[in-house]
Amino acid sequence: KAGVTQTPRYLIKTRGQQVTLSCSPISGHRSVSWYQQTPGQGLQFLFEYFSETQRNKGNFPGRFSGRQFSNSRSEMNVSTLELGDSALYLCASSFRDNNSPLHFGNGTRLTVT
Amino acid sequence: DQQVKQNSPSLSVQEGRISILNCDYTNSMFDYFLWYKKYPAEGPTFLISISSIKDKNEDGRFTVFLNKSAKHLSLHIVPSQPGDSAVYFCAASARGTSYGKLTFGQGTILTVHP
Repeated sequence: KAGVTQTPRYLIKTRGQQVTLSCSPISGHRSVSWYQQTPGQGLQFLFEYFSETQRNKGNFPGRFSGRQFSNSRSEMNVSTLELGDSALYLCASSFRDNNSPLHFGNGTRLTVT
Repeated sequence: DQQVKQNSPSLSVQEGRISILNCDYTNSMFDYFLWYKKYPAEGPTFLISISSIKDKNEDGRFTVFLNKSAKHLSLHIVPSQPGDSAVYFCAASARGTSYGKLTFGQGTILTVHP
C-alpha cells in the first residue's frame, strides 16, 4: 500500500512569490492535514481537510491556504512568500476515526531566498 | 503556551538496555496520544498510540504508559537497538473536536550505542 506522497520534495522560491504544494493521501484516507516544521517552532498544525471541507485551522496568517479535491488529494498554497516561510511542510492522512493515527509523507522542503 | 513538552532534548542508551522517553501535557481536553519517530529528511513515522481510557499499550518492543492524573506519558523501548536512533516526538489531540490536529512536543534525540 503506497504511503502519503508529497510533491515536489524540494523547492526554492524568492520572497514575494507564491507556491503550491501537493499531497496524495493513503488510499482510502479521506482526512488530510498539513504541518510546518521549523527548527525554532517545531511541528505546527496548519489545517485539516475532510470531504473537501476545512475542518480545523492552525494559527497561521491568511497567506497560507489549502484545498481538498473529491479524490481526497490536497494542495496547500502560500502567497507572498517571506524568508520565515522556509520550512519542511508535511502532509498527513488518516481515516479520521477514534483509533486512526495520522500517517505522514516525507514532506516538501521549501527554501525562500 | 507549550501544551506538550518533552523536557529531555536528548537521551543516550546502550544497545540492549531500556530507553525511556518522557512527555508532559497541560491540556486536559487531550484524549489521544501518539509517539512518532523521525529520521532526517523524512516525515514522522507512527510508532504507537494510546487512548485516554487506557493506561498502557504495547506493540512489540514499544510500550506507552499514560498517567492522566499527572498528565504524563512515557515511551519504553526494550531492548533498544542502534536502528532506534532517531528523534522521537510525542503528540496529543482532542479527538472530539480536532482529529487531524496534533499538538507536538519539541522532540527527544535518542542515540543507541552498539
